[in-house]
Amino acid sequence: LAKTTQPISMDSYEGQEVNITCSHNNIATNDYITWYQQFPSQGPRFIIQGYKTKVTNEVASLFIPADRKSSTLSLPRVSLSDTAVYYCLVLDNYGQNFVFGPGTRLSVLP
Amino acid sequence: EAGVVQSPRYKIIEKKQPVAFWCNPISGHNTLYWYLQNLGQGPELLIRYENEEAVDDSQLPKDRFSAERLKGVDSTLKIQPAELGDSAVYLCASSLGGDTDTQYFGPGTRLTVL
Repeated sequence: LAKTTQPISMDSYEGQEVNITCSHNNIATNDYITWYQQFPSQGPRFIIQGYKTKVTNEVASLFIPADRKSSTLSLPRVSLSDTAVYYCLVLDNYGQNFVFGPGTRLSVLP
Repeated sequence: EAGVVQSPRYKIIEKKQPVAFWCNPISGHNTLYWYLQNLGQGPELLIRYENEEAVDDSQLPKDRFSAERLKGVDSTLKIQPAELGDSAVYLCASSLGGDTDTQYFGPGTRLTVL
């Protein structure tokens, strides 16, 4: 079964770049790595997904090294509304079970 | 476009009672997932459906949990009987399928077992 680790919490100030890393081993070699944002009393909301190297969309970038044993979510200029819990999601190497990371609680301060 | 709909949003029951949660996925999404999320933790997959077929239910405690997805659209997750430890948020997600297979989540049902 895939194992994932993330920092429990991070603090940042408005306007700064934030990088959150998820370490994951025993993941499927042919599936995407996905990141979600979750606010209290809501379901996880899709942010970005990638397979390898770098992916960028209008809200974030995702960096995945060649060995795919980690991935880093980059939020370019955070605002107070980015205060949330961020999760990585991977598929285990048996190709059956989707595994969420434990989540990183990001607090953005004014 | 409507998102994943779940009901009820909140449910409080006494232990040993039965409870059911309902999920309506995004229209056209063939894959449906049920997750359990304990407080302060990431969601854990319980069961995954491809149309009507449960393709992965290895994490579903089958002695008390059951699920069905009749006609390959809506799904129901049932617990009978509920235990104190079942208090959690139950999330439903759906995806189109295919290479990217992004999962979209509903708001969840918060279950409290007294």
